[in-house]
Amino acid sequence: DAGITQSPRHKVTETGTPVTLRCHQTENHRYMYWYRQDPGHGLRLIHYSYGVKDTDKGEVSDGYSVSRSKTEDFLLTLESATSSQTSVYFCAITDPGANVLTFGAGSRLTVL
Amino acid sequence: GESVGLHLPTLSVQEGDNSIINCAYSNSASDYFIWYKQESGKGPQFIIDIRSNMDKRQGQRVTVLLNKTVKHLSLQIAATQPGDSAVYFCAETPNDYKLSFGAGTTVTVRA
Repeated sequence: DAGITQSPRHKVTETGTPVTLRCHQTENHRYMYWYRQDPGHGLRLIHYSYGVKDTDKGEVSDGYSVSRSKTEDFLLTLESATSSQTSVYFCAITDPGANVLTFGAGSRLTVL
Repeated sequence: GESVGLHLPTLSVQEGDNSIINCAYSNSASDYFIWYKQESGKGPQFIIDIRSNMDKRQGQRVTVLLNKTVKHLSLQIAATQPGDSAVYFCAETPNDYKLSFGAGTTVTVRA
């Protein structure tokens, strides 16, 4: 997947627990994104980053926070997981002027 | 609100036939469109793209058509093969590097 690694790939957790998903890239791309994928909704943007310590909200950001302290890592945190956050989460990267996003393999999160 | 959507959630096609997957968009500010293919258990993969100043673009066995008058995008796959079975997404961007995706069409190829 073009130098993008998501971890963990699968996680089962309980309601109310904190969860952090990690996206690591070796492409040195400036822009990074977190999407969630649910049946009937396609991919929806949660948060994105245009550079180190430069992050912003997407269309479904409630209940999520992100951090980007290094170019290669973009972390997605669920401070207190809820069942509605059961989903498959995808990280994507691109560079200015490139437009096309390259996606990771996804992280499947189940909140019981 | 404005969104990108696909006309049909599923498409069944005979191996060897041509496939046509449709997508309607409503954001008139979008100037770039992409088709992605997602196989089971994997992330979306780029297939082909088109800019709003074009109405047709061809790749290997795939063609994307853009009709800006009716805000319609289609993906044509020639001589569909079993490996083409996947979910196909169209995506648009109003030039801010944030793609907006449709819900996807699941293509099943019959042997």
